Amino acid sequence: QKEVEQNSGPLSVPEGAIASLNCTYSDRGSQSFFWYRQYSGKSPELIMSIYSNGDKEDGRFTAQLNKASQYVSLLIRDSQPSDSATYLCAVLASGGSYIPTFGRGTSLIVHP
Amino acid sequence: EPEVTQTPSHQVTQMGQEVILRCVPISNHLYFYWYRQILGQKVEFLVSFYNNEISEKSEIFDDQFSVERPDGSNFTLKIRSTKLEDSAMYFCASSEPAGANVLTFGAGSRLTVL
Repeated sequence: QKEVEQNSGPLSVPEGAIASLNCTYSDRGSQSFFWYRQYSGKSPELIMSIYSNGDKEDGRFTAQLNKASQYVSLLIRDSQPSDSATYLCAVLASGGSYIPTFGRGTSLIVHP
Repeated sequence: EPEVTQTPSHQVTQMGQEVILRCVPISNHLYFYWYRQILGQKVEFLVSFYNNEISEKSEIFDDQFSVERPDGSNFTLKIRSTKLEDSAMYFCASSEPAGANVLTFGAGSRLTVL
């Protein structure tokens, strides 16, 4: 069973702070990693994908990947109340499947 | 911006009834998926579809479920005899050939089985 683990939270941060969301995965051969945002009652929407070790930045979002530690994170700088949502980590495991496996998600609350 | 369209947005049905959920994927996408999310739980993969056939399916996708692409635009999920535990949000997703694992999700169909 290929697992993707996230702390369910909630993670509460003040407006303007950096929010750090973490994800670990069990399949060492995983190659593709995704962060989705899901507002309550809505569908997941892709924020970022990352495929190689290191950091990838897109606006206020930075994804960090460490394959040796089997760890991927998402940093949100200058957090806004509109960032309050559940953040889902998804991992594409090895073995030829094209199906991302989702974690349970971390609930983020940004308070004014 | 292209989007994945799902209907109905909400369906209430009696246990044992058949339900069909419909999806119109993004027009140039070739990979189609159904996921479900039981309230408060994780997004779970059901089935993927490519080149007019199922490419992968999960343990959840048993004989009660079927998928079909009846024409060039629609992609349907049928649940033959609904159970209480089928109550969930069902998401259709699609992806383009070059990024087969980057999914665009529809808004979802909420199924309530009474």
